[in-house]
Amino acid sequence: DIVLTQSPDSLAVSLGERATINCKSSQSVLYTSNNKNYLGWYQQKPGQPPRLLIYWASARESGVPDRFSASGSGTDFTLAISSLQAEDVAVYYCQQYYSTPWTFGQGTKVEIK
Amino acid sequence: QLQLQESGPGLVKPSETLSLTCTVSGGSITSSSCYWGWIRQPPGKGLEWIANIYYSGSAYYNPSLKSRVTISVDTSNNHFSLRLSSVTAADTAVYYCARQFYERGQLPYYFDYWGQGTLVTVSS
Repeated sequence: DIVLTQSPDSLAVSLGERATINCKSSQSVLYTSNNKNYLGWYQQKPGQPPRLLIYWASARESGVPDRFSASGSGTDFTLAISSLQAEDVAVYYCQQYYSTPWTFGQGTKVEIK
Repeated sequence: QLQLQESGPGLVKPSETLSLTCTVSGGSITSSSCYWGWIRQPPGKGLEWIANIYYSGSAYYNPSLKSRVTISVDTSNNHFSLRLSSVTAADTAVYYCARQFYERGQLPYYFDYWGQGTLVTVSS
């Protein structure tokens, strides 16, 4: 199984400041034949289901604010929130779809400092 | 707007079988561009993929649960279902159903639509 390890487990950021979350994969999720990274990011607010934010490692889902961006390739990926808003308080998960079983990172909790 | 809604008992006794159904509305479960899956989340913990299924019946299972899981699809009623046998307290979780984007010839990809989830507690 591909293991995704997120860091940090939690972080507190001031409103308007930048938040950065990392996701490291135990093996590459880059499919060389199409040069796509099979990795997504989700946001889960308390009491709600996860919401897809990012797919193909950097493509923003429709309706996702552009303060959310993501990058990375191979085994190392980053989700950034450029200017943290109160509504961004949530747990964020990465997920790989390179191989079965589909797996998620353990989650990173983002709070307001 | 596609919507998914989980339904089923909220309390299951140890050693019994957990049964859940996900009803899809606002779209057809026979869409060629998606699989339909189940993901669970124990209280205060992370996400675990359980299984998914195509409208044709083709399915994938998490090896860690495969011996206890059955997933099925009912195209006539636009829903799919999960059965998890021999449950223990470790199976207590919020169970989500979700749509998984798919392109023919590939493994299914990311989960783009989710139900609200249903809490299933295993307790006598």
